[in-house]
Amino acid sequence: DAGVTQSPTHLIKTRGQHVTLRCSPISGHKSVSWYQQVLGQGPQFIFQYYEKEERGRGNFPDRFSARQFPNYSSELNVNALLLGDSALYLCASSLVFSGRLDTQYFGPGTRLTVL
Amino acid sequence: GESVGLHLPTLSVQEGDNSIINCAYSNSASDYFIWYKQESGKGPQFIIDIRSNMDKRQGQRVTVLLNKTVKHLSLQIAATQPGDSAVYFCAEDASGGSYIPTFGRGTSLIVHP
Repeated sequence: DAGVTQSPTHLIKTRGQHVTLRCSPISGHKSVSWYQQVLGQGPQFIFQYYEKEERGRGNFPDRFSARQFPNYSSELNVNALLLGDSALYLCASSLVFSGRLDTQYFGPGTRLTVL
Repeated sequence: GESVGLHLPTLSVQEGDNSIINCAYSNSASDYFIWYKQESGKGPQFIIDIRSNMDKRQGQRVTVLLNKTVKHLSLQIAATQPGDSAVYFCAEDASGGSYIPTFGRGTSLIVHP
């Protein structure tokens, strides 16, 4: 069975541009979370979606947005890119959303470089 | 502010030794913790979890200890193998309030053959 998949693997953008990252959860999983991992740091929570609704949001500016589709896949959008947005963006899926830290399965991430 | 942090950013051990990775947390409301392993180029992988009503939990070659008095947890890896080389993170969750899982900075474990 496929795990969490993310696309693209790597991405290079310039400041001010917009980026869309995609995630497909494990089959049967209905909750998707997004994390930003800056080099040398732990993952930082951005969003969690369950049944197409936002259920949690971290301390990120409004330039960051996300959505979940009927098939439970998800997109993370970042507008007006800054150099500091360069990071590994991780997607994690879990079976349901309990409002708590659940057992999540992470994808390999998308490495975003902003020049 | 509330934070989850690790004492040692890098830990080097010899193959076969036991490894201990530490994590301090400051949110006294945290009642559930997870340890993750992240290998180079991969996403974090669940290792073991523990709830605050326990002080010890064992898995295969791994043990997590929780000391709520000093807000500290540790991950012990027995008979460390080269395949254990990775970055290890602890994550915490607090009951009630907004749902924001918090990860520590990470400890890099290097196992020398």
